[in-house]
Amino acid sequence: DAKTTQPNSMESNEEEPVHLPCNHSTISGTDYIHWYRQLPSQGPEYVIHGLTSNVNNRMASLAIAEDRKSSTLILHRATLRDAAVYYCILRSPLQGAQKLVFGQGTRLTINP
Amino acid sequence: GAGVSQTPSNKVTEKGKYVELRCDPISGHTALYWYRQSLGQGPEFLIYFQGTGAADDSGLPNDRFFAVRPEGSVSTLKIQRTERGDSAVYLCASSPAFYNEQFFGPGTRLTVL
Repeated sequence: DAKTTQPNSMESNEEEPVHLPCNHSTISGTDYIHWYRQLPSQGPEYVIHGLTSNVNNRMASLAIAEDRKSSTLILHRATLRDAAVYYCILRSPLQGAQKLVFGQGTRLTINP
Repeated sequence: GAGVSQTPSNKVTEKGKYVELRCDPISGHTALYWYRQSLGQGPEFLIYFQGTGAADDSGLPNDRFFAVRPEGSVSTLKIQRTERGDSAVYLCASSPAFYNEQFFGPGTRLTVL
């Protein structure tokens, strides 16, 4: 499984944008970049995923570097409810690659 | 709609005992996954079902762990001769097909004394 590297923790202020980085220098051409987050005492929840182009949804934006060796999850206006552990995961669409391989993730703290 | 549910939410048992953890996936989801999360770590994959069959059980740590999904819906994770190292939060997830986003339940916190 291709490996991702994320900072252990980050801190931001409420109502400010947050940029969560992820390095994945060994990504293969077919790997999708997925982001999940885990709020305290809850199971993980899907945030967003992409392959090459930047992606936007109601929760966040995903900016993918041109060489695909890094990506950034962007929360445009953080709220206290965004405090969570954020996981960057590489996932292959090939048969047999259904599982999610979680790393340590980035613990995001939001200050009021 | 109803999400993934897991019962019990907490389970305390003694070393050597047998436990069963239940997962009710979202209705109609054919894929079901079990993960285990130790304190301070990310979830770790255990087993994946597509329908009734275990398509990938490569994450089960040893033969004390077993999971079933007899009718392609509810799944039970069974742990025999529990050990203190089995203490963790056991998470279940389901998805409509094998590569869709996974929807996680709240987990069962297992404590082995």
